[in-house]
Formats: sequence, structure tokens, C-alpha cells
Amino acid sequence: QKEVEQNSGPLSVPEGAIASLNCTYSDRGSQSFFWYRQYSGKSPELIMSIYSNGDKEDGRFTAQLNKASQYVSLLIRDSQPSDSATYLCAVIQSGGSYIPTFGRGTSLIVHP
Amino acid sequence: ETGVTQTPRHLVMGMTNKKSLKCEQHLGHNAMYWYKQSAKKPLELMFVYSLEERVENNSVPSRFSPECPNSSHLFLHLHTLQPEDSALYLCASSQAQAGANVLTFGAGSRLTVL
Repeated sequence: QKEVEQNSGPLSVPEGAIASLNCTYSDRGSQSFFWYRQYSGKSPELIMSIYSNGDKEDGRFTAQLNKASQYVSLLIRDSQPSDSATYLCAVIQSGGSYIPTFGRGTSLIVHP
Repeated sequence: ETGVTQTPRHLVMGMTNKKSLKCEQHLGHNAMYWYKQSAKKPLELMFVYSLEERVENNSVPSRFSPECPNSSHLFLHLHTLQPEDSALYLCASSQAQAGANVLTFGAGSRLTVL
């Protein structure tokens, strides 16, 4: 079964630190990777997408993709208490699929 | 109305009731999804309607039945549910294309089965 794995956490970091969230996937042919953020009691919203090996930066967020090692990560620089949320990794697998498979999410807590 | 709207936001039902969840998208997307979200579990895909094709997760019990009358509306009909069906049900829409497919979620319908 094709899976997307995340450590459920919680990951606790102090304000101003770098938060590092990791995701591994089982389907080597996966082609598209997404990070969604879900605040408590709210629905998921997209924060980053990445399709090629390497880094992609958007403000304080950096997504890193390593297809050879089958992992994708999200770095949050200068973490703020408002970043406290659950971060969901989603992967679109090979074979012409358009339907993403989600991990269980990592809970991030940024404490002042 | 903008985005993806779901009603009702909260629903409490007995095991013998019949109810429906409604979803409407105002984004001009061509695909709509139902996901189930339970505590500490990954989002579980239930059904997808895209370009008149229906994709379903074979593990979803028959007490859940979807209906998609057009590209903007999606329903999830519920009957004789079990307490373990209590969860957050999320509707999403997207402009489906292989590879790059970003979902926009509704606020969810919190279902409690007594």
C-alpha cells in the first residue's frame, strides 16, 4: 500500500527558532508534493507545493524535496506562535493520478 | 459566497436517522471530494467526482452514499451510521490535472453519531 508517513508530534520549538517538519513516502514514482496547514478547528489550507528536487522558498517557509531518499520536508524560519498548527504532507503518486494521499500530520507548537 | 461552503457545520444524529451533508463550490473547479478526518489518522479519501468520473475508496461502508448532480454541488447521504463514523467530514474541490492538483477545502461538517 502506498503510504505517506509523518511523525504526529507534537513538535515543540521556541519562538524565533527553525521548525523542521518531515515526511516520507513509499511510491518512488511520486511526482507532486504539498504542505497544508490546519489550525485547530479549521480546514486545511495549502502553504507550499514542490515538484522538483531541491529547495523552494516562500517567505519564512522552505520546502525541500529529495526524490532519491523519498522525503520532503518543510522548514519554518523565525517560528511564531501563530505558526502553531498541524502540518499535513500530501503526495500525488505516479501513474497519471491527480488525487493526493495525505499523511496524518505533524502538530507544531511554537511557545513564546 | 466564495470558495467551498459546507452545511451543516455540526450534525448530531442517531444510528437510525437519515441525513445529508451538502457542499457547494464557487471556484469553477472540475473535481469535488469527500474526505473523512478522524483524530490521529490521515485524511481518508472517501469519494471523488471529476469530469463525470466517480472514484471511490472501496473501504467506505455502503451507509455513506455520495451524489454529485453537477460540477458545483456534492452531497453525502448518511443512513444507519455507527458511533465510529463520528468525525469531521471535509469537502474539497480542485481543478483536477495529473500531478499539479491543489485542493481547496470547505470548513467541514462535524458529525456525531449517538
